[in-house]
Amino acid sequence: GAGVSQSPRYKVAKRGQDVALRCDPISGHVSLFWYQQALGQGPEFLTYFQNEAQLDKSGLPSDRFFAERPEGSVSTLKIQRTQQEDSAVYLCASSFPPGQGFGAFFGQGTRLTVV
Amino acid sequence: KQEVTQIPAALSVPEGENLVLNCSFTDSAIYNLQWFRQDPGKGLTSLLLIQSSQREQTSGRLNASLDKSSGRSTLYIAASQPGDSATYLCAVLNAGGTSYGKLTFGQGTILTVHP
Repeated sequence: GAGVSQSPRYKVAKRGQDVALRCDPISGHVSLFWYQQALGQGPEFLTYFQNEAQLDKSGLPSDRFFAERPEGSVSTLKIQRTQQEDSAVYLCASSFPPGQGFGAFFGQGTRLTVV
Repeated sequence: KQEVTQIPAALSVPEGENLVLNCSFTDSAIYNLQWFRQDPGKGLTSLLLIQSSQREQTSGRLNASLDKSSGRSTLYIAASQPGDSATYLCAVLNAGGTSYGKLTFGQGTILTVHP
């Protein structure tokens, strides 16, 4: 597709349920980022991939959060045993590698509500 | 650790006014700086991208400047319109240290342009 695609757009999960959020980056973009955006806040970094390698996962808030990009294209962010504080919009972005002069493109996000 | 700050947090202006949004960052080791626009419930739309070697970029009524040595950027919006109402976010792509390749955001400025 022409842009970054995220699915689902909305997800309601019961507390304790596992969820999986999908990101389809722009074709050819080797860098992929996940961000968490709480209401009224700027996006907070979660993790970063270059191709299939997860170069930085320092922003993942707990070991309940796990991200993968096994073939260097589609990425999945998994949250186990969801809790209410996980409610947020999860944004995915992709770009060419750093330093090549290109910016990042974002998907529409997945709004997760944990009840 | 890179920190990005945006001032003001919120701004309300009458239609037609020229306005300036400010962004500052603590680590000047950056590849580029991007200004994004976010409408309620939507993803991020890139407005302007300034490379670290550039001083400014222009697109229509928008002009963004970058002073890398002092860690500052401004977004100038000329002749504001109600359709400009949105949250404006600045983000830097880090070039050094443990933040390499990470896109760090400010908290955003909520702009309201009233008729």
